[in-house]
Amino acid sequence: DGGITQSPKYLFRKEGQNVTLSCEQNLNHDAMYWYRQDPGQGLRLIYYSQIVNDFQKGDIAEGYSVSREKKESFPLTVTSAQKNPTAFYLCASSTREGVATEAFFGQGTRLTVV
Amino acid sequence: AQSVTQPDIHITVSEGASLELRCNYSYGATPYLFWYVQSPGQGLQLLLKYFSGDTLVQGIKGFEAEFKRSQSSFNLRKPSVHWSDAAEYFCAVVGSGAGSYQLTFGKGTKLSVIP
Repeated sequence: DGGITQSPKYLFRKEGQNVTLSCEQNLNHDAMYWYRQDPGQGLRLIYYSQIVNDFQKGDIAEGYSVSREKKESFPLTVTSAQKNPTAFYLCASSTREGVATEAFFGQGTRLTVV
Repeated sequence: AQSVTQPDIHITVSEGASLELRCNYSYGATPYLFWYVQSPGQGLQLLLKYFSGDTLVQGIKGFEAEFKRSQSSFNLRKPSVHWSDAAEYFCAVVGSGAGSYQLTFGKGTKLSVIP
């Protein structure tokens, strides 16, 4: 079945450590996105990529980094510079046909800093 | 820049009652509008979308939404709520201009259903 796979589902990190969240899709979508979700805040865009080897900062990119070396993969690194990294992270993808279409979401990764 | 407002943070309804979740958007041109649903600890699932044409759109699970340009609204409705509808609901908008790929979400409305 086609879809988006995020791993791991739960992740614990010590303060001062970098951690990478995985996102893989087999939908042949060009565009991929990372969102952060906090209670009562909705979803906020961290980074997005419309094509391989290209990505753009979203609204809250500070303390995060991404890469897009393959169409299927869009990993997110939460660096030690991120002041409050504990959150639920969602990856999404969509086609890129000139205008926006619906986004498909993974099941999320819950990151906790201990 | 586009924005979305969901005025109700939390709504409680009885099973079998009707439901309306409000969504207001801000965007200069014709927007693309979406409603997503999220169960606890899960990703988002698309309920329905509006791109153009008929302003009343039907979605999955018996949901529908009506686009009202004059009110900048896209309210979600269901005639009879089931206990399994308890979840958080997000309205989202995308600009229709070239290069507009970013979804902007509202802060969500949590729905509780009383048996």
